[in-house]
Amino acid sequence: DVKVTQSSRYLVKRTGEKVFLECVQDMDHENMFWYRQDPGLGLRLIYFSYDVKMKEKGDIPEGYSVSREKKERFSLILESASTNQTSMYLCASIGSYNEQFFGPGTRLTVL
Amino acid sequence: AQRVTQPEKLLSVFKGAPVELKCNYSYSGSPELFWYVQYSRQRLQLLLRHISRESIKGFTADLNKGETSFHLKKPFAQEEDSAMYYCALSGYNTDKLIFGTGTRLQVFP
Repeated sequence: DVKVTQSSRYLVKRTGEKVFLECVQDMDHENMFWYRQDPGLGLRLIYFSYDVKMKEKGDIPEGYSVSREKKERFSLILESASTNQTSMYLCASIGSYNEQFFGPGTRLTVL
Repeated sequence: AQRVTQPEKLLSVFKGAPVELKCNYSYSGSPELFWYVQYSRQRLQLLLRHISRESIKGFTADLNKGETSFHLKKPFAQEEDSAMYYCALSGYNTDKLIFGTGTRLQVFP
């Protein structure tokens, strides 16, 4: 079974803090994704990566950056957290037949 | 523009009733369509994809290219079907998914 893990289930940060969200997958997948999930808005793609050190902006990259130093790990960085970044963050990797495997999510609250 | 539309935020039915969760899409080409499901306190997971043409947990979905729809159907809803359902689209030669806004299905006993 593919396993995608995320470093925290719940996170509370203050406005202006730098926030790191970590994601690890154990199936040697090349492509990884970061989404945010908001009620009424569905899932929106923030960034994705198709190889180590390669990244591409998704639909809502503003205020975020990413890092992929190793194939299994994809990090999402909030350079200066703001209250409108309070959300559920989902990481995914993609396997055969275009199936995306999701992590459990990190619920981030920015005060 | 590529878009996935799920017109219903909430769909409530009684156990044993038929269910249809609507999904319409906009895409200039031949997309690949998916339904993902998220049960309470569980991670988002693939339910079915149009290419495989299979029935999963009693659910089916047919791609109607003329109406650009991919509605999810089940003849007899069960309480355990209560969940959040997302329709998603993937374009040709890309791994990116475009998700709809989701429909919460509530099945009452």
